Amino acid sequence: DQQVKQNSPSLSVQEGRISILNCDYTNSMFDYFLWYKKYPAEGPTFLISISSIKDKNEDGRFTVFLNKSAKHLSLHIVPSQPGDSAVYFCAAMGQSGSEKLVFGKGTKLTVNP
Amino acid sequence: DAGVTQSPTHLIKTRGQHVTLRCSPISGHKSVSWYQQVLGQGPQFIFQYYEKEERGRGNFPDRFSARQFPNYSSELNVNALLLGDSALYLCASSWDRAWGNGYTFGSGTRLTVV
Repeated sequence: DQQVKQNSPSLSVQEGRISILNCDYTNSMFDYFLWYKKYPAEGPTFLISISSIKDKNEDGRFTVFLNKSAKHLSLHIVPSQPGDSAVYFCAAMGQSGSEKLVFGKGTKLTVNP
Repeated sequence: DAGVTQSPTHLIKTRGQHVTLRCSPISGHKSVSWYQQVLGQGPQFIFQYYEKEERGRGNFPDRFSARQFPNYSSELNVNALLLGDSALYLCASSWDRAWGNGYTFGSGTRLTVV
């Protein structure tokens, strides 16, 4: 039972354009959401997060949007750079008492020069 | 400062054998979590330890066990290995039972069961 879903296995964009990665979740108890970036042969690296009390969080070129009613979040990268090419994982956490991260399957982003 | 250190980096085992994976957290971090990432999937939660006590367990069989030592390092043990246990095993540490942005992951141990 996939509680966090990333339905696009891959995404290819041109350098300088916007990358939009999408994520859906089914568990309404999730109240904190995160994006991780993973390069081959490395562990996931935290990118950006958002609490369920917010609908947007921005950090430089990265913005995460949360639509609680649709149980959907998205990560926008503007402008995209070739170094952004990696696998991006969406993850969710429940309320305090459950610190485990529930990950999606990931989306492989390729930014072409 | 050293990040999260996992050993070994790669391992090949035969079905039915036992394996021990090791993790050293970032200095000062008291919480260690283990995740299994099978090819093509996202990481799946196995265990979390905080101050040497188990704080959470994922949906894994009893063949999987773990412990945390007084220096906060941790071991993940898997008995009676199956082909399906082949995966990247990730360790993550945090200073507290933190929200996910507090977790730092190691580079993982790639286990292949043949």
